Amino acid sequence: GNSVTQMEGPVTLSEEAFLTINCTYTATGYPSLFWYVQYPGEGLQLLLKATKADDKGSNKGFEATYRKETTSFHLEKGSVQVSDSAVYFCALGNMNRDDKIIFGKGTRLHILP
Amino acid sequence: SAVISQKPSRDICQRGTSLTIQCQVDSQVTMMFWYRQQPGQSLTLIATANQGSEATYESGFVIDKFPISRPNLTFSTLTVSNMSPEDSSIYLCSALDSLNTEAFFGQGTRLTVV
Repeated sequence: GNSVTQMEGPVTLSEEAFLTINCTYTATGYPSLFWYVQYPGEGLQLLLKATKADDKGSNKGFEATYRKETTSFHLEKGSVQVSDSAVYFCALGNMNRDDKIIFGKGTRLHILP
Repeated sequence: SAVISQKPSRDICQRGTSLTIQCQVDSQVTMMFWYRQQPGQSLTLIATANQGSEATYESGFVIDKFPISRPNLTFSTLTVSNMSPEDSSIYLCSALDSLNTEAFFGQGTRLTVV
C-alpha cells in the first residue's frame, strides 16, 4: 500500500539557516504529493503540492520537487524565520482514484531567533 | 477553497459515553474524510464518508466504534462510541476541493476521555 516516510524531528535551526526536511514515498500509480503545515494551536494547512513528476511546488519561500526516480519530495527553504516554527507533514494521494490522502509522521521544526 | 467548520472544538467526556462531532463545509463536496491525530502523532485516516451510502473504514477502525453519517454534500458527523481514555485525540474532518486536487481540513475536535 501507499506510505510516506519523513525525517524524524524535532529539527532545531537558527533564524536564516537553510532548511531541508526529507520525504520519500511508496505508491502505486502516479500520486499527487503534498506538504501540509500545522502551526501551534492551529489547524492543518496546505503549504504546497505537486501533481506529476518533475513538478516543483512552492509557497512562502518553501519549495519541493516531485522526483519520481528517487520517490522523494524533500521540503526546502533557503532562509527560515522564527514564524516558520511548526509541524510539517508530507503526504500523498491518488487523486481521482481513491482520493485518500496518506500522511507521514510529521516533523516538528523549531527556529531560534 | 473550502471552509470547514467543526464542532465542538474540544470536549472532556466520561469513559463509556459517546460524542458526536459535526463537520460543515461551506460548499458541496464529493469526498469527505475523518482523521485521528493522537498526541504528538501524525494523522491516521479513520474512514471516507460517502454521501448516500455507508462509510468506508480503514483497517483497524469499525463502524460500531466510529459510526459516520453523511446526509448531504455539505455535512457529516463522526460519533466516538463507548469512549475510553485511549480515544483521547484530535479528530479532524477533511474534504476535497471541487477539482479533487487537494484536501482542506477543519480546525479539529480535541477530545479528552477521563
